[in-house]
This record gives sequence, structure tokens and C-alpha cells, in this order.
Amino acid sequence: QEQLQESGPGLVKPSGTLSLTCAVSGGFINSGNWYNWVRQPPGKGLEWIGEIFRPGSTNYNPSLKSRVTISIDRSKTQVSLTLTSVTAADTAVYFCASRKELYNWFDPWGQGTLVTVSS
Amino acid sequence: QSALTQPRSVSGSPGQSVTISCTGTSSDIGDYHYVSWYQQHPGKAPKLMIYDVTERPSGVPDRFSGSKSANTASLTISGLQAEDEADYYCCSYAGSYTFVFGTGTKVTVL
Repeated sequence: QEQLQESGPGLVKPSGTLSLTCAVSGGFINSGNWYNWVRQPPGKGLEWIGEIFRPGSTNYNPSLKSRVTISIDRSKTQVSLTLTSVTAADTAVYFCASRKELYNWFDPWGQGTLVTVSS
Repeated sequence: QSALTQPRSVSGSPGQSVTISCTGTSSDIGDYHYVSWYQQHPGKAPKLMIYDVTERPSGVPDRFSGSKSANTASLTISGLQAEDEADYYCCSYAGSYTFVFGTGTKVTVL
């Protein structure tokens, strides 16, 4: 089974841009998978951010769509998340998770990475 | 797209059964058979426990079961064990290629 590992800056300034990477192990990104981002503010619940299947094939949470971009680099076996104009409300643990095409559940998940928005 | 509604907490003694409800709308749970459940221990990533309302992935104990009626899905844990103490989240396909999670329920084993 593939393994996912998130990485990126742990601190971002307000109004700045949050950029995270999800490295997919196994040497290649499965062409039959959607790669998702999910976040969890401290002490709160999970929120689906969006997903990518291939370049140009993305789906986003309507509430975040104007600020989110998810991209994929198969040569580097990684998926990226960019969130612009961040505020303290974007402070959260960010997870990447895999979803097989035509299936509607998330498995496996990365261990998550905490991003704090603060000056 | 609002979060699915779950009780904040449920509790039970070892060996008892607990049921967690997950209430959505006719645009998500009520319209699709695509409800999944995740278990999350503190500081850990969520783990898939149930998919497609009732299906259990390989390796998940059969004391975990799922069901759905109208706009409400449920997760039942039978024969509660100490290691079941965790947060549980439901998730549903919500149409237009989007997903929505529940508010989360803390299960306490007394």
C-alpha cells in the first residue's frame, strides 16, 4: 500500500501563502488515485479541502475554492497544496489522503503536519 | 455545504454497545450510499473503519458496523473495548464531486 508524508513550513504569516507537499512513496503516483487534502484545526473536526486526479482534474471545497490550488508532479511523486490569504482560522493539522478512482472513501492517510498562522 | 451533525460524546462500559449518529441532508447522506467512518486517536491520523455505509475494510474488527436510514447514518461499536476510546468522524459524498465530514464524536470507555 502506498504511504503518504506531508511536509512544509510550520509557521506562516497572516495574509501570506501556505504551501505544503505530500510525498507519495512507492516510486510512483498511482494513476488511478485521487489525492486529497483534509485539515483539522486544533481541538476541532476534519474539513475536506479538495483533491486532484491529474493536472486540470481537481475538485475543491466550495468554501475554500477561491484560495486553494492543488497540483501534482508525477515525476517527483508529490502532490502540493497552496492556500492564499491565510488567517488564524487556517491554523490546522493538514493531512493528505488517497482515494481510489470510483471509490468514495479515504485510505491511506499521511500522519499530518501542523501549520500555524501567526505573525 | 455544512458539516454533518454528530453527538459530541458517547460513552459505555467495556462489553457494551454504543451507537454514533451522523445526520446530514437529502443532498448528501440521503442521496448517496457513500458514507465512511474514521477512527482517530489523539495525535494520530484518521483510520478508515467503514465505507459505503456498511462495508468493513480488511483488518477492522467485526464489532464495528454501519447503517443508514434516510438522512442519518450510524456507527455501532459492539463489545466495546478500551482501545476503541477515540474520536470518530463520519464522511459523506455531497454531490458535485465534493465531500463533507461530520463534527466528530468522542467515545469514552468507562
